[in-house]
Amino acid sequence: NAGVTQTPKFRVLKTGQSMTLLCAQDMNHEYMYWYRQDPGMGLRLIHYSVGEGTTAKGEVPDGYNVSRLKKQNFLLGLESAAPSQTSVYFCASRNPPAGEQFFGPGTRLTVL
Amino acid sequence: SQKIEQNSEALNIQEGKTATLTCNYTNYSPAYLQWYRQDPGRGPVFLLLIRENEKEKRKERLKVTFDTTLKQSLFHITASQPADSATYLCALDSYNQGGKLIFGQGTELSVKP
Repeated sequence: NAGVTQTPKFRVLKTGQSMTLLCAQDMNHEYMYWYRQDPGMGLRLIHYSVGEGTTAKGEVPDGYNVSRLKKQNFLLGLESAAPSQTSVYFCASRNPPAGEQFFGPGTRLTVL
Repeated sequence: SQKIEQNSEALNIQEGKTATLTCNYTNYSPAYLQWYRQDPGRGPVFLLLIRENEKEKRKERLKVTFDTTLKQSLFHITASQPADSATYLCALDSYNQGGKLIFGQGTELSVKP
C-alpha cells in the first residue's frame, strides 16, 4: 500500500497562475482533507470531503476549490494564485467515525 | 468561537525525564481526541486516540488523559529520549462536526541527551 500520495512535491508559481494539487489514497477511506501549514499557525483545514462526489468548506476555503469525482482522489485547485497561498499543503484521509488520519508527504508551494 | 490551544512555547527537557504536553479546548464537545507527531518536513503521524468516556489511554511510553470537565487533554512521554524530539499535535473530532478533524497549533518538544 502506498497510503496517501501527493503530486507534485514542490511547485513555484507566479501570481495569477493556476494549478491543481492531486491527492490519492489506496486505503478505501471515505473522508479526505486538504490542510495548509504555515509557521506558527498549525494545520488549518481548507476543504474536506466525506464521500465521493461531496465537498465541504473548512476554516480557510477562500481562493481554493476542490473536487472528489473518484473515492480515491481529492483535487485541490488554485484558480489565481496569490503570494498569501505560499505554504505547505497536506492531504489526509481516514474512515469514520473515529479513524486515525493518514497524511501525505506534503506539497511545498511558493507563489512569487 | 471554537478554539484549541497547545503550549505555544517549545518544551525542552532532559533525556530520561517525563514530558507533559497540554491541549485545551473551548466551545467544543469532542467525541474523540487524537494526538499526532510531526517531524520537520513530513506529514503528521497518528499516535493515540482517546474517547470522551475514557479517562486515560496508554501505549508503551505514551499516556494520554482526557478531562471533559476541565476541557483538557494531557500527553505524557515517560523516559524521554532524544528521538522523541518532534512537534506534537492534538486534534478534536466531534459528532456534530460533519467529519471535520480540527488541529491545535502543536508543541515542539526537544529532548536533550
